[in-house]
Amino acid sequence: DTGVSQNPRHKITKRGQNVTFRCDPISEHNRLYWYRQTLGQGPEFLTYFQNEAQLEKSRLLSDRFSAERPKGSFSTLEIQRTEQGDSAMYLCASSTRQGEAFFGQGTRLTVV
Amino acid sequence: AQTVTQSQPEMSVQEAETVTLSCTYDTSESDYYLFWYKQPPSRQMILVIRQEAYKQQNATENRFSVNFQKAAKSFSLKISDSQLGDAAMYFCAGAYSGGGADGLTFGKGTHLIIQP
Repeated sequence: DTGVSQNPRHKITKRGQNVTFRCDPISEHNRLYWYRQTLGQGPEFLTYFQNEAQLEKSRLLSDRFSAERPKGSFSTLEIQRTEQGDSAMYLCASSTRQGEAFFGQGTRLTVV
Repeated sequence: AQTVTQSQPEMSVQEAETVTLSCTYDTSESDYYLFWYKQPPSRQMILVIRQEAYKQQNATENRFSVNFQKAAKSFSLKISDSQLGDAAMYFCAGAYSGGGADGLTFGKGTHLIIQP
């Protein structure tokens, strides 16, 4: 499968714990995006990488959220000290040109 | 900044009929892209159709076409010959094409039901 891959698909964690999600983009795609989607809403843009450079991070929801893309390949999104309000679907997307995005299946986070 | 509004939370159509999903947007940019994405129950978002704002011709992809009215900031999606597999959430989205790092701005979505 050469599409965008996200792991894990589901994560249940206790409030206050840290969680990390991984995204493997389509191999030739230099652009990588993270989005959050809550129930009944469209995805909300969080952050953007072009190769290994994080060019937009002001839309990350708080300083508990951080993302990396070492070597411009896979990316990780970490949430520290999780809260119940962090429960959502976290989507990764990649592309080669502005605007277009190919999405992964997402990681569903449940904070209990 | 862009805003995208979908005013139809749910639409229903008979199989083989035609349905139109509405979307309006607002932006201060002159160059931008507009998209319709489909999200089936499996949750993976799939690109349906893309429109560059500078193009006057409406985009078409097989049974899917758009009615792009730039002055009215309207971008509706028409699905012809609806099929059961078209049932999904449909999201309208926009992106600034100025080369910046903005991601897509999505509407809240329209749930499309196909009645057999």
